Amino acid sequence: NAGVTQTPKFQVLKTGQSMTLQCAQDMNHNSMYWYRQDPGMGLRLIYYSASEGTTDKGEVPNGYNVSRLNKREFSLRLESAAPSQTSVYFCASSASGTSTDTQYFGPGTRLTVL
Amino acid sequence: GENVEQHPSTLSVQEGDSAVIKCTYSDSASNYFPWYKQELGKRPQLIIDIRSNVGEKKDQRIAVTLNKTAKHFSLHITETQPEDSAVYFCAASRGSWGKFQFGAGTQVVVTP
Repeated sequence: NAGVTQTPKFQVLKTGQSMTLQCAQDMNHNSMYWYRQDPGMGLRLIYYSASEGTTDKGEVPNGYNVSRLNKREFSLRLESAAPSQTSVYFCASSASGTSTDTQYFGPGTRLTVL
Repeated sequence: GENVEQHPSTLSVQEGDSAVIKCTYSDSASNYFPWYKQELGKRPQLIIDIRSNVGEKKDQRIAVTLNKTAKHFSLHITETQPEDSAVYFCAASRGSWGKFQFGAGTQVVVTP
């Protein structure tokens, strides 16, 4: 039982390049989330998927798109990377997505945009 | 929307002493308050949580208290050990879906 996995672990992009961050969970969770973590700013929600087939914007969605491919997988796409998107990205999942549900985090992807 | 403020941003304690981190929230409808610990280069991991119908919860050396009237909650770590050194995040959530609002984090350093 791997929990929440993310690929890649590290990535360097040039401004304007695109890439997709992958996330998968094997806990049969319904809800999945994408956060970014910047120094001194905690974790900020980019997008979330309450259940398979649905996605919604979080606090900082600009410049990102997401796809809930199936119940296990939730990907985050940067269409045209900018230096402001340099950050550590965490995927998380929770069983039912209710407000009192524990969220389990993946190991993170460290992205640098030059 | 919800706003969570966390203090202090850094905390240095001697091994064996207690550490206290405080968070305040703005939305009186918030009903769930988890605390996450993040070691350097690792993922955040839940260490304790409290729901709005409870005033205090303990788990061995850690405890969380909630004051709904004042809209603040605190993490207490007793008998600190070097392995307690990490960044601690508080969060608050409300409503039907788990949209957490995280605090900015507290870097705790336990010195021998």
